[in-house]
Amino acid sequence: DTAVSQTPKYLVTQMGNDKSIKCEQNLGHDTMYWYKQDSKKFLKIMFSYNNKELIINETVPNRFSPKSPDKAHLNLHINSLELGDSAVYFCASSQALLSPLHFGNGTRLTVT
Amino acid sequence: GIQVEQSPPDLILQEGANSTLRCNFSDSVNNLQWFHQNPWGQLINLFYIPSGTKQNGRLSATTVATERYSLLYISSSQTTDSGVYFCAVQRRLSGYALNFGKGTSLLVTP
Repeated sequence: DTAVSQTPKYLVTQMGNDKSIKCEQNLGHDTMYWYKQDSKKFLKIMFSYNNKELIINETVPNRFSPKSPDKAHLNLHINSLELGDSAVYFCASSQALLSPLHFGNGTRLTVT
Repeated sequence: GIQVEQSPPDLILQEGANSTLRCNFSDSVNNLQWFHQNPWGQLINLFYIPSGTKQNGRLSATTVATERYSLLYISSSQTTDSGVYFCAVQRRLSGYALNFGKGTSLLVTP
């Protein structure tokens, strides 16, 4: 019973394409996040949603757009993919803003 | 923004050894969490520890918020402890987003 699940696990695509990564959590948490891990393993927040409301929107290109259809889902859509978008993208959730964070297994995006 | 510094950056241990990982942060925080990223890339939450000491099996953590540091102790290390250990801090000023350190990469050899 996966708590935070992301699909796909691997995503290989060409520059200029549009792609989406899906995330679902079955923990009943109110807050969900997208993090990006670069090639040096540095983790950085991209977006945070609390009760379907966007509360953190870090400085990311507007080619990245999160969508939260309900509290259990937070999808990430990326337009016009660039080489520099290659990274591992992690979805996460927590009960509240100040609660333990639970990560999904990550999506490794490779842009060629 | 807040600086989160972890030391050492790399560590090699023989199985059975003990170690201490350190996390320093440059400003007051509301919370601190420790994570382990295993060699398969999974990120596991180890501790939610805004202050004080917690223990979970062979691992324990201590956060001294007033002095802006946290320590993660690993006792009797096992090869399955290998991976990268991250600390991350949360502040109200940044919407409670987790700000991560660069991690300590640990290799435990048989």
